[in-house]
Amino acid sequence: GQNIDQPTEMTATEGAIVQINCTYQTSGFNGLFWYQQHAGEAPTFLSYNVLDGLEEKGRFSSFLSRSKGYSYLLLKELQMKDSASYLCAVSGDYKLSFGAGTTVTVRA
Amino acid sequence: ETGVTQTPRHLVMGMTNKKSLKCEQHLGHNAMYWYKQSAKKPLELMFVYNFKEQTENNSVPSRFSPECPNSSHLFLHLHTLQPEDSALYLCASSPGSTGSYNEQFFGPGTRLTVL
Repeated sequence: GQNIDQPTEMTATEGAIVQINCTYQTSGFNGLFWYQQHAGEAPTFLSYNVLDGLEEKGRFSSFLSRSKGYSYLLLKELQMKDSASYLCAVSGDYKLSFGAGTTVTVRA
Repeated sequence: ETGVTQTPRHLVMGMTNKKSLKCEQHLGHNAMYWYKQSAKKPLELMFVYNFKEQTENNSVPSRFSPECPNSSHLFLHLHTLQPEDSALYLCASSPGSTGSYNEQFFGPGTRLTVL
Protein backbone atom coordinates (compact mmCIF):
# COMPACT_ATOMS: atom_id res chain seq x y z
CA GLY A 1 0.00 0.00 0.00
CA GLN A 2 0.86 3.68 0.02
CA ASN A 3 1.34 6.08 2.93
CA ILE A 4 1.56 9.73 1.89
CA ASP A 5 2.08 12.62 4.29
CA GLN A 6 1.93 16.34 3.68
CA PRO A 7 1.21 19.31 5.97
CA THR A 8 -2.42 20.25 6.40
CA GLU A 9 -2.13 24.02 6.04
CA MET A 10 0.39 26.72 5.14
CA THR A 11 0.06 30.49 5.01
CA ALA A 12 2.32 32.90 3.12
CA THR A 13 2.40 36.47 1.92
CA GLU A 14 1.88 37.59 -1.65
CA GLY A 15 5.21 37.64 -3.50
CA ALA A 16 6.84 35.18 -1.10
CA ILE A 17 7.99 31.58 -1.61
CA VAL A 18 6.34 28.51 -0.08
CA GLN A 19 7.63 24.93 -0.07
CA ILE A 20 5.18 22.07 0.41
CA ASN A 21 6.79 18.83 1.49
CA CYS A 22 5.50 15.35 0.78
CA THR A 23 6.86 12.09 2.14
CA TYR A 24 5.72 8.71 0.99
CA GLN A 25 6.14 5.02 1.62
CA THR A 26 5.12 2.87 -1.26
CA SER A 27 5.09 -0.73 -2.40
CA GLY A 28 5.58 0.31 -6.01
CA PHE A 29 6.71 3.60 -7.53
CA ASN A 30 6.13 4.87 -11.04
CA GLY A 31 6.41 8.58 -10.40
CA LEU A 32 4.96 11.37 -8.29
CA PHE A 33 2.40 13.96 -9.30
CA TRP A 34 1.40 17.31 -7.86
CA TYR A 35 -2.11 18.63 -8.42
CA GLN A 36 -3.72 21.97 -7.59
CA GLN A 37 -7.34 22.10 -6.46
CA HIS A 38 -9.24 25.33 -5.93
CA ALA A 39 -12.20 25.21 -3.60
CA GLY A 40 -15.20 23.62 -5.28
CA GLU A 41 -13.26 22.71 -8.40
CA ALA A 42 -11.57 19.62 -9.83
CA PRO A 43 -7.85 18.93 -9.29
CA THR A 44 -5.62 20.06 -12.15
CA PHE A 45 -2.19 18.69 -13.05
CA LEU A 46 0.88 20.69 -12.03
CA SER A 47 3.91 18.42 -12.34
CA TYR A 48 5.25 14.90 -12.68
CA ASN A 49 8.60 13.59 -11.40
CA VAL A 50 9.93 10.09 -11.94
CA LEU A 51 13.70 10.73 -11.73
CA ASP A 52 15.56 12.40 -8.87
CA GLY A 53 16.05 16.11 -9.14
CA LEU A 54 14.27 19.36 -9.74
CA GLU A 55 11.73 20.06 -12.47
CA GLU A 56 11.05 23.74 -13.05
CA LYS A 57 7.96 25.05 -14.73
CA GLY A 58 7.56 28.80 -14.49
CA ARG A 59 6.81 29.86 -10.91
CA PHE A 60 6.33 26.28 -9.82
CA SER A 61 9.08 23.69 -9.28
CA SER A 62 8.93 20.12 -8.04
CA PHE A 63 11.71 18.05 -6.52
CA LEU A 64 12.01 14.31 -6.00
CA SER A 65 14.36 12.09 -4.00
CA ARG A 66 13.38 8.47 -4.51
CA SER A 67 15.88 7.13 -1.98
CA LYS A 68 14.38 9.35 0.73
CA GLY A 69 10.75 8.93 -0.34
CA TYR A 70 10.50 12.70 -0.46
CA SER A 71 9.21 15.39 -2.75
CA TYR A 72 8.46 19.07 -2.50
CA LEU A 73 6.53 21.59 -4.51
CA LEU A 74 8.00 25.09 -4.55
CA LEU A 75 5.75 28.02 -5.33
CA LYS A 76 7.59 31.26 -6.09
CA GLU A 77 6.34 34.85 -6.40
CA LEU A 78 3.08 33.87 -4.77
CA GLN A 79 -0.10 35.38 -6.12
CA MET A 80 -3.53 35.52 -4.53
CA LYS A 81 -4.81 33.07 -7.13
CA ASP A 82 -2.37 30.47 -5.79
CA SER A 83 -4.58 30.05 -2.72
CA ALA A 84 -5.71 26.44 -3.15
CA SER A 85 -5.17 22.90 -1.97
CA TYR A 86 -2.07 21.13 -3.32
CA LEU A 87 -2.25 17.36 -3.61
CA CYS A 88 0.72 15.02 -3.69
CA ALA A 89 -0.02 11.74 -5.50
CA VAL A 90 2.15 8.67 -5.98
CA SER A 91 1.76 6.50 -9.05
CA GLY A 92 1.96 2.90 -7.96
CA ASP A 93 0.47 -0.25 -9.34
CA TYR A 94 -1.99 1.00 -11.97
CA LYS A 95 -3.40 3.77 -9.80
CA LEU A 96 -2.65 7.03 -8.02
CA SER A 97 -2.65 7.31 -4.26
CA PHE A 98 -3.28 10.82 -2.97
CA GLY A 99 -2.21 12.65 0.15
CA ALA A 100 -4.83 14.60 2.07
CA GLY A 101 -3.68 17.86 0.49
CA THR A 102 -2.06 21.03 1.80
CA THR A 103 -4.25 24.13 1.90
CA VAL A 104 -2.17 27.19 1.02
CA THR A 105 -3.54 30.60 1.92
CA VAL A 106 -1.90 33.62 0.32
CA ARG A 107 -2.34 36.89 2.19
CA ALA A 108 -1.86 40.38 0.84
CA GLU B 1 -17.46 19.18 -25.31
CA THR B 2 -13.84 18.80 -24.28
CA GLY B 3 -12.05 17.10 -21.42
CA VAL B 4 -14.00 15.21 -18.80
CA THR B 5 -17.62 16.05 -18.11
CA GLN B 6 -19.85 14.91 -15.28
CA THR B 7 -23.58 15.11 -14.73
CA PRO B 8 -25.35 16.10 -12.63
CA ARG B 9 -23.19 18.69 -10.90
CA HIS B 10 -25.35 18.61 -7.78
CA LEU B 11 -27.61 15.85 -6.48
CA VAL B 12 -29.78 15.59 -3.39
CA MET B 13 -31.34 12.22 -2.72
CA GLY B 14 -33.10 10.33 0.02
CA MET B 15 -31.78 7.10 1.43
CA THR B 16 -34.34 5.03 -0.47
CA ASN B 17 -33.75 6.65 -3.86
CA LYS B 18 -31.90 5.23 -6.84
CA LYS B 19 -29.84 7.60 -8.95
CA SER B 20 -26.91 7.47 -11.37
CA LEU B 21 -23.89 9.67 -11.92
CA LYS B 22 -22.54 9.98 -15.43
CA CYS B 23 -19.02 10.70 -16.64
CA GLU B 24 -17.83 11.17 -20.19
CA GLN B 25 -14.32 11.78 -21.46
CA HIS B 26 -13.46 13.21 -24.86
CA LEU B 27 -9.70 12.67 -24.62
CA GLY B 28 -9.33 9.21 -26.15
CA HIS B 29 -8.08 7.82 -22.86
CA ASN B 30 -8.08 4.14 -21.92
CA ALA B 31 -8.51 4.32 -18.15
CA MET B 32 -11.32 5.85 -16.09
CA TYR B 33 -11.74 6.27 -12.35
CA TRP B 34 -14.26 7.12 -9.67
CA TYR B 35 -13.07 8.96 -6.55
CA LYS B 36 -14.84 10.09 -3.41
CA GLN B 37 -13.67 13.34 -1.81
CA SER B 38 -14.85 14.15 1.71
CA ALA B 39 -13.84 17.27 3.59
CA LYS B 40 -10.29 17.22 4.98
CA LYS B 41 -9.69 13.67 3.74
CA PRO B 42 -7.54 12.32 0.90
CA LEU B 43 -9.14 11.49 -2.38
CA GLU B 44 -10.45 7.95 -2.00
CA LEU B 45 -10.15 5.77 -5.06
CA MET B 46 -13.33 3.74 -5.56
CA PHE B 47 -13.13 2.04 -8.94
CA VAL B 48 -10.72 1.76 -11.86
CA TYR B 49 -11.50 0.67 -15.39
CA ASN B 50 -8.84 -0.10 -17.97
CA PHE B 51 -10.06 -0.69 -21.52
CA LYS B 52 -13.61 -1.10 -20.12
CA GLU B 53 -12.52 -3.80 -17.68
CA GLN B 54 -12.76 -3.17 -13.96
CA THR B 55 -9.29 -3.56 -12.48
CA GLU B 56 -9.85 -2.12 -9.03
CA ASN B 57 -12.66 -2.17 -6.52
CA ASN B 58 -11.31 -0.50 -3.43
CA SER B 59 -13.57 -2.25 -0.89
CA VAL B 60 -16.50 -0.08 -1.89
CA PRO B 61 -19.93 -0.96 -0.42
CA SER B 62 -22.31 -2.66 -2.82
CA ARG B 63 -24.70 0.29 -2.68
CA PHE B 64 -22.29 1.84 -5.20
CA SER B 65 -22.33 0.03 -8.54
CA PRO B 66 -20.10 1.13 -11.44
CA GLU B 67 -20.74 0.56 -15.11
CA CYS B 68 -18.40 1.18 -18.04
CA PRO B 69 -20.17 0.48 -21.35
CA ASN B 70 -17.25 1.81 -23.43
CA SER B 71 -13.93 3.55 -22.89
CA SER B 72 -15.52 7.01 -23.06
CA HIS B 73 -18.36 6.58 -20.58
CA LEU B 74 -18.50 5.68 -16.91
CA PHE B 75 -21.50 5.50 -14.63
CA LEU B 76 -21.91 5.19 -10.89
CA HIS B 77 -25.27 3.76 -9.86
CA LEU B 78 -26.41 4.65 -6.37
CA HIS B 79 -29.05 2.96 -4.23
CA THR B 80 -29.99 2.96 -0.54
CA LEU B 81 -27.20 5.35 0.34
CA GLN B 82 -26.37 6.59 3.82
CA PRO B 83 -25.89 10.20 4.98
CA GLU B 84 -22.15 9.54 5.38
CA ASP B 85 -21.99 8.94 1.63
CA SER B 86 -22.50 12.68 1.12
CA ALA B 87 -19.36 13.92 -0.62
CA LEU B 88 -17.91 15.18 -3.88
CA TYR B 89 -17.67 12.37 -6.42
CA LEU B 90 -14.96 12.92 -8.99
CA CYS B 91 -14.46 11.10 -12.24
CA ALA B 92 -11.06 11.05 -13.91
CA SER B 93 -9.45 9.55 -16.99
CA SER B 94 -5.85 8.90 -18.02
CA PRO B 95 -4.11 7.73 -21.20
CA GLY B 96 -2.93 4.58 -19.45
CA SER B 97 -2.38 3.36 -15.92
CA THR B 98 1.36 3.41 -15.28
CA GLY B 99 3.99 6.11 -14.89
CA SER B 100 3.42 9.34 -16.75
CA TYR B 101 0.48 7.74 -18.55
CA ASN B 102 -1.24 7.82 -15.20
CA GLU B 103 -1.63 11.62 -15.41
CA GLN B 104 -5.27 11.94 -14.57
CA PHE B 105 -7.67 14.50 -15.90
CA PHE B 106 -10.56 15.21 -13.58
CA GLY B 107 -14.14 16.13 -14.24
CA PRO B 108 -15.80 18.93 -12.23
CA GLY B 109 -17.41 16.45 -9.84
CA THR B 110 -20.90 15.77 -8.57
CA ARG B 111 -21.73 17.21 -5.15
CA LEU B 112 -23.93 14.53 -3.56
CA THR B 113 -26.07 15.11 -0.49
CA VAL B 114 -27.90 12.16 1.07
CA LEU B 115 -30.75 13.11 3.37
